[in-house]
Amino acid sequence: LAKTTQPISMDSYEGQEVNITCSHNNIATNDYITWYQQFPSQGPRFIIQGYKTKVTNEVASLFIPADRKSSTLSLPRVSLSDTAVYYCLVGDSGGGADGLTFGKGTHLIIQP
Amino acid sequence: DAGVTQSPTHLIKTRGQHVTLRCSPISGHKSVSWYQQVLGQGPQFIFQYYEKEERGRGNFPDRFSARQFPNYSSELNVNALLLGDSALYLCASSPGTDYGYTFGSGTRLTVV
Repeated sequence: LAKTTQPISMDSYEGQEVNITCSHNNIATNDYITWYQQFPSQGPRFIIQGYKTKVTNEVASLFIPADRKSSTLSLPRVSLSDTAVYYCLVGDSGGGADGLTFGKGTHLIIQP
Repeated sequence: DAGVTQSPTHLIKTRGQHVTLRCSPISGHKSVSWYQQVLGQGPQFIFQYYEKEERGRGNFPDRFSARQFPNYSSELNVNALLLGDSALYLCASSPGTDYGYTFGSGTRLTVV
């Protein structure tokens, strides 16, 4: 049973705000929500992590509703270099003994 | 400060052969994990090591083994290679098992 569900792909244009939503209906009380970014032939890179409400850093914002059954990664004013695969993960920040569980991710394509 | 380094970056092996992949964690990180990423899929957890002991193992056959050395570097070994073992092998390190992981750029293994 998949722990998270996110769109397979999304398109946007430079300068736009992009929102990627992830569904995680079976999130456990102790689970955190973490987003990673991955470019071709590179390892995933941590973007942001949150537990509830809103988290913001220099790269992105993460919005989590009260029921925590979904979350939205918001990328402000995207550029061509934001073209990548974005993964939504739920669980321990380190994955625990079961490791991090990645789905297929969302392939975000930014056009000029 | 150097990130997670993996060697070699690329490797071609023949079916039935054995391969050893190496990983040096970020200085001060005591936990190392290994992931396999097949083209078009998210990374899949193989092993987690902490303080030189195996702390977690994913759903991979016994042909896969790993170890962590006193300096916290790690090796992943795969015996009797199959075509299906062709993938990007990622190493990730963390200060401990409950912290976020930093990934290396991976080793691209091609089995022919």
